[in-house]
Amino acid sequence: SAVISQKPSRDICQRGTSLTIQCQVDSQVTMMFWYRQQPGQSLTLIATANQGSEATYESGFVIDKFPISRPNLTFSTLTVSNMSPEDSSIYLCSGGSVYTEAFFGQGTRLTVV
Amino acid sequence: AQTVTQSQPEMSVQEAETVTLSCTYDTSESDYYLFWYKQPPSRQMILVIRQEAYKQQNATENRFSVNFQKAAKSFSLKISDSQLGDAAMYFCAYRSTIQGAQKLVFGQGTRLTINP
Repeated sequence: SAVISQKPSRDICQRGTSLTIQCQVDSQVTMMFWYRQQPGQSLTLIATANQGSEATYESGFVIDKFPISRPNLTFSTLTVSNMSPEDSSIYLCSGGSVYTEAFFGQGTRLTVV
Repeated sequence: AQTVTQSQPEMSVQEAETVTLSCTYDTSESDYYLFWYKQPPSRQMILVIRQEAYKQQNATENRFSVNFQKAAKSFSLKISDSQLGDAAMYFCAYRSTIQGAQKLVFGQGTRLTINP
């Protein structure tokens, strides 16, 4: 199994600012994903982080708001840009390979004030 | 697009009893994976059990087992001898095997309470 370290674990940010969340996997994984989990809700996929190319975004999520990088097979970042209180959520990264389950980071609890 | 439905927002069970969480899904694919994840208050998503669609045998992991009904597109989780540490949100999830479409699709979740 893979271990995914995600940081920060929580943050309180001012509206209009940006926050970058980092996700480090202890082994190479072919797939990495970023999810948002609003309070009391299920997980919604933001995008698939593609190694060496632009991320693939789900409907309702755009690159200008959630730029994603994945420079190699073990690391990815998600930036939440120009934040508003509606962006207050838990953000989770996950990684895995085609024939394995997805492993998750411990999540980042973001509060925008 | 695939969808996953968990019709029980909340469930409760007495400690040491057995509880079953329901999950149905919709897909036109014949090969896929199904998972149950547990999310305690710590937020960490923990894999409970996985099932490959091509396997007829139901998966089991210690006190956790599934009832996989492929034709009915049903995937329920049975927890035997419930323990206080089982209290959490439980999410059912679907994953395609098609290249480029291997994201997890989650159900709405079921909050499980264990009564001592």
